[in-house]
Amino acid sequence: AQSVTQLGSHVSVSEGALVLLRCNYSSSVPPYLFWYVQYPNQGLQLLLKYTTGATLVKGINGFEAEFKKSETSFHLTKPSAHMSDAAEYFCAVPGGSYIPTFGRGTSLIVHP
Amino acid sequence: DAGVIQSPRHEVTEMGQEVTLRCKPISGHNSLFWYRQTMMRGLELLIYFNNNVPIDDSGMPEDRFSAKMPNASFSTLKIQPSEPRDSAVYFCASSLTQGSNQPQHFGDGTRLSIL
Repeated sequence: AQSVTQLGSHVSVSEGALVLLRCNYSSSVPPYLFWYVQYPNQGLQLLLKYTTGATLVKGINGFEAEFKKSETSFHLTKPSAHMSDAAEYFCAVPGGSYIPTFGRGTSLIVHP
Repeated sequence: DAGVIQSPRHEVTEMGQEVTLRCKPISGHNSLFWYRQTMMRGLELLIYFNNNVPIDDSGMPEDRFSAKMPNASFSTLKIQPSEPRDSAVYFCASSLTQGSNQPQHFGDGTRLSIL
């Protein structure tokens, strides 16, 4: 079954700095990949979705993710962090029985 | 459109009591998921329904946990008897159809504390 690994349980950046959150999927190319964001005291919400054939996927709030088959990666980036981006970010890939498999999450901390 | 609605938002109760968590999925969505989130274990899938039928309940921790979906617009997750280790945030999510391309829509969760 497919799985994802999110490197770094916490990432800390200054406001205005580049945000890079890492996600690697297991060896076989998944047809879909997702990034979700969870703000404090809220449920997860879809940030962006990758479908086969795309390489750069744009999401909400200025985030985008690049699919790199050679690196089995789907890292999430944003050129300039804002205080409101502080949240937990989850990468997900389709697992068995149509159920997505979520990564452990990365907490993004934004310093003023 | 209203999103996934969960109630209550917070529940504090004593060990041994019965706890019932409620979920109303997005209208027209055919798949419903119950998750539990803790610091130690992250996000865990408990059970998944499609067209009101339980498809996979392998994540339900033990017999104290049960879930029902009597109709397309309502689901419950029940814990009886509750234990302190059940303290967590419980999320309900729905998706339009059963399919790996379908994103999930989450409610805001129920924060459960068992004393």
